[in-house]
Amino acid sequence: AQSVTQPDIHITVSEGASLELRCNYSYGATPYLFWYVQSPGQGLQLLLKYFSGDTLVQGIKGFEAEFKRSQSSFNLRKPSVHWSDAAEYFCAVSISTGNQFYFGTGTSLTVIP
Amino acid sequence: GAVVSQHPSRVICKSGTSVKIECRSLDFQATTMFWYRQFPKQSLMLMATSNEGSKATYEQGVEKDKFLINHASLTLSTLTVTSAHPEDSSFYICSASSGTGITAFFGQGTRLTVV
Repeated sequence: AQSVTQPDIHITVSEGASLELRCNYSYGATPYLFWYVQSPGQGLQLLLKYFSGDTLVQGIKGFEAEFKRSQSSFNLRKPSVHWSDAAEYFCAVSISTGNQFYFGTGTSLTVIP
Repeated sequence: GAVVSQHPSRVICKSGTSVKIECRSLDFQATTMFWYRQFPKQSLMLMATSNEGSKATYEQGVEKDKFLINHASLTLSTLTVTSAHPEDSSFYICSASSGTGITAFFGQGTRLTVV
């Protein structure tokens, strides 16, 4: 069965510092990979996705993620964090049919001045 | 991107009553809709998958008689929590897909509180 692991439950960074959120997946083939952000009490906003091709994908709000097949990872990065980036971040995978998502447990990001 | 609207965004109901949550795709035909549940400070767990005109497929451990899902049209799916109990209090999110791609769009979620 497929699974998604986000090892970091909570991360605190200073505003302006760089950020990396980790995501590892377990699946027999290369799944489709996503990162979503959720503000408190809100729904999910898609940051970026990887289907195929270039393993470095650019998303909204200055985020990027790199797919590394050898490590089964899809880590999210941002070079300079803004206070408004404080939220919950979810990594998710989707299989080729059905469009159902399997989510990681999420990483809560706190940004300090 | 496509818009998926969920209603209501927040609802409080009494124990023993039923509550209906609607999920609408506003600008595309959603052949498949998914319902997720999110407990506080936890991840989203898939509850069920519904295809238009068919019975929903429930994930293991989800009571189909308690969480009634109807997908009667290509733009609307409903989740009815029957005989609600405080343990049903949660955040429910739907997503919809046209089936032609592999991107599903999420609603804004519904916060259900059962008192």
